Amino acid sequence: QSVLTQPPSASGTPGQSVTIFCSGTRSNIGGNHVYWYQHVPGTAPKLLIYINDQRPSGVPDRFSGSKSGTSASLAISGLRSEDEADYYCASWDARLRAPLFGGGTKLTV
Amino acid sequence: QVQLVESGGGSVEPGGSLRLSCVSSGSNFKYEYFGWIRQAPGKGLEWVSYIAVTSTGDTFYSDSAKGRFMISRDDARKSVSLQMNSLTADDSGTYYCARVESQLPRVGQWGKGILVAVSS
Repeated sequence: QSVLTQPPSASGTPGQSVTIFCSGTRSNIGGNHVYWYQHVPGTAPKLLIYINDQRPSGVPDRFSGSKSGTSASLAISGLRSEDEADYYCASWDARLRAPLFGGGTKLTV
Repeated sequence: QVQLVESGGGSVEPGGSLRLSCVSSGSNFKYEYFGWIRQAPGKGLEWVSYIAVTSTGDTFYSDSAKGRFMISRDDARKSVSLQMNSLTADDSGTYYCARVESQLPRVGQWGKGILVAVSS
């Protein structure tokens, strides 16, 4: 059971929008930044969002992140087939003194 | 673009040992944190261990790795290693070498991943 809670699955059709949520506590999301990674099985994960809502260069603006209190979300608009992947939130936990991943959300397009 | 190249994975029997290595092509190696992230079959990503810059000597181990795994770095060779002892089937999976960018848990660069299979 991950400290950061994500739904195990999400789905949408091409062109639609989908939002993936990540729930934590004050010791992690509530007091630290949130990161989002995209992982296509068989490849290396890729950083999508850093410091809650910032996109690295090369990440399409279809991907956006936000954080409120002890929860965070990743929104994907204009879904494309290549967005089908596992998505993980991540944060630092000050109480555990450890980096954490959420359990991951499998997105089906 | 920094490249991380892992080596040392493979198959081992329960109770055995493996040593994973990761070599970085980056020029700022000695100023950066590195770690190992694992994905067990059918499971999510998990931080196994990380090592801070040499001057601090800080290391982290997941609860499952504590007492069995040891991470080390060689700044001259720009490499980081994970010595894994007393392996069990639960240690099986793909291990990714990770370069931390700015602060944990931001991973700026991932290796391609290396497979560890613990089975009798």
